[in-house]
Amino acid sequence: KAGVTQTPRYLIKTRGQQVTLSCSPISGHRSVSWYQQTPGQGLQFLFEYFSETQRNKGNFPGRFSGRQFSNSRSEMNVSTLELGDSALYLCASSLAASVEQFFGPGTRLTVL
Amino acid sequence: AQTVTQSQPEMSVQEAETVTLSCTYDTSESNYYLFWYKQPPSRQMILVIRQEAYKQQNATENRFSVNFQKAAKSFSLKISDSQLGDTAMYFCAFMYRDDKIIFGKGTRLHILP
Repeated sequence: KAGVTQTPRYLIKTRGQQVTLSCSPISGHRSVSWYQQTPGQGLQFLFEYFSETQRNKGNFPGRFSGRQFSNSRSEMNVSTLELGDSALYLCASSLAASVEQFFGPGTRLTVL
Repeated sequence: AQTVTQSQPEMSVQEAETVTLSCTYDTSESNYYLFWYKQPPSRQMILVIRQEAYKQQNATENRFSVNFQKAAKSFSLKISDSQLGDTAMYFCAFMYRDDKIIFGKGTRLHILP
């Protein structure tokens, strides 16, 4: 069974631009969670989608948004990029929120 | 609010030794999940071990075991017979029901040959 895939793996943007990251969960998994990882803040929860509905949300500004499609694939969008948005963005999928989450390799976003 | 604290930012041990990574957490809940995740230099995060708070027995997965002290809100990870492939960042994490996972800051573990 294929693992969680994330595209692109690396991305370079400039301040003010917007970016869309994609995550394809493991087949059959309906829950997708997004995390931001930075050296200073560690891993921080962004949001979680289950069956196309946002079920949980972390403490991030409205510039961070996401969605989930009927095939469980998820996208995350960041608008008006700031230098501080440079991070590794991890996606994780699970059959249900209370069991093991399987992580993707991440998308490394650099904002210049 | 739940918090997870890992007091050891970095550790180094010799191959084949046993190492214990510390984790404490704070919660007012009685039923929750605790996890240890490993993130090798390749960046793919993988689950090492999971503990349900209602289970008194400590979880074990091959060379990895935990010491779960619910009253003390402590959840340490012991790695026995450490191997070079154990070199990674280790994150302690907490989850309550279907809420978000809260991660500690991590412990960078180096296994030395």
